[in-house]
Amino acid sequence: QVQLQESGPGQVKPSQTLSLTCTVSGDSIGSGTYFWSWIRQPPGKGLEWIGYIYDGGDTYYNSSLKSRISISVGRSKKQFSLKLSSMTAADTAMYYCARVSGDNTFDYWGQGTLVIVSS
Amino acid sequence: QSVLTQPPSASGTPGQMVSISCSGSGSNIGSNTVNWYQQRPGTAPKLLMYSNNQRPSGVPGRFSGFKSGSSAFLDIHGLRSEDEAVYSCGVWDDSLSGVIFGGGTTLTVL
Repeated sequence: QVQLQESGPGQVKPSQTLSLTCTVSGDSIGSGTYFWSWIRQPPGKGLEWIGYIYDGGDTYYNSSLKSRISISVGRSKKQFSLKLSSMTAADTAMYYCARVSGDNTFDYWGQGTLVIVSS
Repeated sequence: QSVLTQPPSASGTPGQMVSISCSGSGSNIGSNTVNWYQQRPGTAPKLLMYSNNQRPSGVPGRFSGFKSGSSAFLDIHGLRSEDEAVYSCGVWDDSLSGVIFGGGTTLTVL
């Protein structure tokens, strides 16, 4: 059974860089079969795709966030990470990691981690 | 304002059928397959339908999906109380070169 688990700080200060990690079990990013994605959801709002990465290093980012984000795969191929710079209150959201299969289908999701941007 | 338009709310009584729409354009729904996600309160989204009308293992046959032109629809037959959730559509947009989601439809079972 594929499982994903997000980890990272629950709060960051404005202008800081957010770093989140997603730990994958029951599958390996190194299998080269799937993309691995980050998605966020501001409180009371809809889902927003952040970007995704393939094991080979290919990345695809939301154009509205592209200048601020970086997604990478850990050496163990069991983790992938998100860095989002210049955080503002508008970045306050639940952040989810997910596996991507087929035609941009998010088939497995982590439980999410709430990130609040506040001084 | 999302590129994909969903009604903010829908409702029905137990046993009824409800249909949730997702309206887009030629650069997204019109040229790519649509996925649907169910999000119960306080939980992560769950894949409900993929490739317009395919149900993942474990999703009841009461749920069905279809696409017509630049719109997609999720039908829920035999409504049950556990169907209360937010339903969101998602699709690749060729113009934006990215994945987009609808704003979500909150389904209430009266």
